[in-house]
Amino acid sequence: ETGVTQSPTHLIKTRGQQVTLRCSSQSGHNTVSWYQQALGQGPQFIFQYYREEENGRGNFPPRFSGLQFPNYSSELNVNALELDDSALYLCASSTPGPTNTGELFFGEGSRLTVL
Amino acid sequence: AQSVTQLGSHVSVSEGALVLLRCNYSSSVPPYLFWYVQYPNQGLQLLLKYTSAATLVKGINGFEAEFKKSETSFHLTKPSAHMSDAAEYFCAVSREDSGAGSYQLTFGKGTKLSVIP
Repeated sequence: ETGVTQSPTHLIKTRGQQVTLRCSSQSGHNTVSWYQQALGQGPQFIFQYYREEENGRGNFPPRFSGLQFPNYSSELNVNALELDDSALYLCASSTPGPTNTGELFFGEGSRLTVL
Repeated sequence: AQSVTQLGSHVSVSEGALVLLRCNYSSSVPPYLFWYVQYPNQGLQLLLKYTSAATLVKGINGFEAEFKKSETSFHLTKPSAHMSDAAEYFCAVSREDSGAGSYQLTFGKGTKLSVIP
């Protein structure tokens, strides 16, 4: 069984640039969620994708956007980067439906530094 | 709105001693509660979850947690700490995003556990 994989693992950008982070979900999982974890904080929900559509969103501005592809992999895009966007971005996959009560399977994250 | 409060950002215990990590939650509906562990430079791994079955939940690596509705608590315990338990622990509560059919987790700020030899 293949777990959640994310790329790149580390990257450095400058303020105002754009970034794309990628995620492959765990085998058999068709729902992907993205979380932002700032230094010393718990992860915060950005959004979730199911069947290639956004299916729930946290309190993040529109410059945070995403995609899900037919193979259930996903991208997180952040435009007009700000210094406060520096964080570990975590992707998590799950299966939808009544048996899913929020249990998520996380990747190891992409650490973004904005200078 | 949901929230999670973890008391103590850093807890130190001696190897072999009891581990107690505290978590209190607020939720307008019966919650689903989770404990996740994060080792350095890694993602989060599920330790255990409460989903309205038994109030005492057993997880991996000898950890367990007790759901106490009257105290709105879900504290994590382990009878005897091991060096390999040193990590950061996150308590989380889940809610369904109304109308979207999706669940999102609200995490606490985490408690870093150090184990002293």
